[in-house]
Amino acid sequence: SAVISQKPSRDICQRGTSLTIQCQVDSQVTMMFWYRQQPGQSLTLIATANQGSEATYESGFVIDKFPISRPNLTFSTLTVSNMSPEDSSIYLCSVEKETEAFFGQGTRLTVV
Amino acid sequence: AQTVTQSQPEMSVQEAETVTLSCTYDTSESNYYLFWYKQPPSRQMILVIRQEAYKQQNATENRFSVNFQKAAKSFSLKISDSQLGDTAMYFCAFMKLPNSGNTPLVFGKGTRLSVIA
Repeated sequence: SAVISQKPSRDICQRGTSLTIQCQVDSQVTMMFWYRQQPGQSLTLIATANQGSEATYESGFVIDKFPISRPNLTFSTLTVSNMSPEDSSIYLCSVEKETEAFFGQGTRLTVV
Repeated sequence: AQTVTQSQPEMSVQEAETVTLSCTYDTSESNYYLFWYKQPPSRQMILVIRQEAYKQQNATENRFSVNFQKAAKSFSLKISDSQLGDTAMYFCAFMKLPNSGNTPLVFGKGTRLSVIA
């Protein structure tokens, strides 16, 4: 199994600012996934983060808006840049072990 | 690309009764996993049950069981003896078996289940 500590759990931010979300895993993993969950919606994959290489972004998500760091095999950050109210969502990180996905507690972001 | 469809946005059930949540999916893959995840108001995603596509036997976990129909690409979740703590958003999810590394989940839109006392 895997335990993921994600922070902050929630934040209220001014438009135009940036927020960095952190995920710490209790074991080494090759890939980490970042998802966005808009209000009342499902989870949509933002990007896949591999240690030692640039993240791979899904259609509709770009590095300038959602830069990701993956400095080692247990840690990753996602930054939401130049925020607008449309970025208000829950952001979740996830890892997989033996074909089971484990999730952080999620970050509820509200942009005002 | 894979798609997952949950056609029931909301459902309710009386405590102690049985409820079935529907899920269909579309894929050209032959090897994959299907999941049901529960997301209570705490936002934490919790694995409810998992099914390997190559297994014909339906998975069960205590009060939770699935009806996996591979030819029909259907994967429904049955919750027996519903409890108030089962109130949550339920997501059906698909994972294809990777050649190497990991592959992300593809989620359905979710079904909001309310258990009524």
